[in-house]
Amino acid sequence: KAGVTQTPRYLIKTRGQQVTLSCSPISGHRSVSWYQQTPGQGLQFLFEYFSETQRNKGNFPGRFSGRQFSNSRSEMNVSTLELGDSALYLCASRRTSGGPTDTQYFGPGTRLTVL
Amino acid sequence: AQSVTQLGSHVSVSEGALVLLRCNYSSSVPPYLFWYVQYPNQGLQLLLKYTTGATLVKGINGFEAEFKKSETSFHLTKPSAHMSDAAEYFCALPYNQGGKLIFGQGTELSVKP
Repeated sequence: KAGVTQTPRYLIKTRGQQVTLSCSPISGHRSVSWYQQTPGQGLQFLFEYFSETQRNKGNFPGRFSGRQFSNSRSEMNVSTLELGDSALYLCASRRTSGGPTDTQYFGPGTRLTVL
Repeated sequence: AQSVTQLGSHVSVSEGALVLLRCNYSSSVPPYLFWYVQYPNQGLQLLLKYTTGATLVKGINGFEAEFKKSETSFHLTKPSAHMSDAAEYFCALPYNQGGKLIFGQGTELSVKP
């Protein structure tokens, strides 16, 4: 079974631009979560989507948004990029949204650099 | 509030030595706990998880962890370190039906020949 895939793997943008990252979950997984990883702040939760609905949201400004499609694929968008948005963005999928013991399976991440 | 604390941002051991990575948690409800590993330029891979039942949990690559409620701990151990164990390790607590993972700060493990 194929794992979680994220595209692109690397991205370079300049301040003020916007960016869209894509995540394809494991087949049959309906929940997708997004995380930002930086050396200073570590791993921080952005949001979770299940059945095209946002179920959980982290403490990030409104410039960070996401959506999920009917095939469970998800995208996240960051508008008006700032230098501090440079990070590894990780996507994770799990089978259901129903249980805290469900394992989240992570993709390899998208490395975003903002110049 | 729920939180996870990993003591030691960097741990160095010799090949063949015991690996001990510490994780303490704070939770108002009975917790579930996960350990993930991240190799350079990769995503996170699940090592093991504690749900309910047996407090000693065995994972992949020879790792195990023991849930101790009285100490609010879930330390990760491996009897004999291998060079391939060099990576960053994260302890995590699922929150709000599990869609959100609360991570510790991570511990980078180095293994010396």
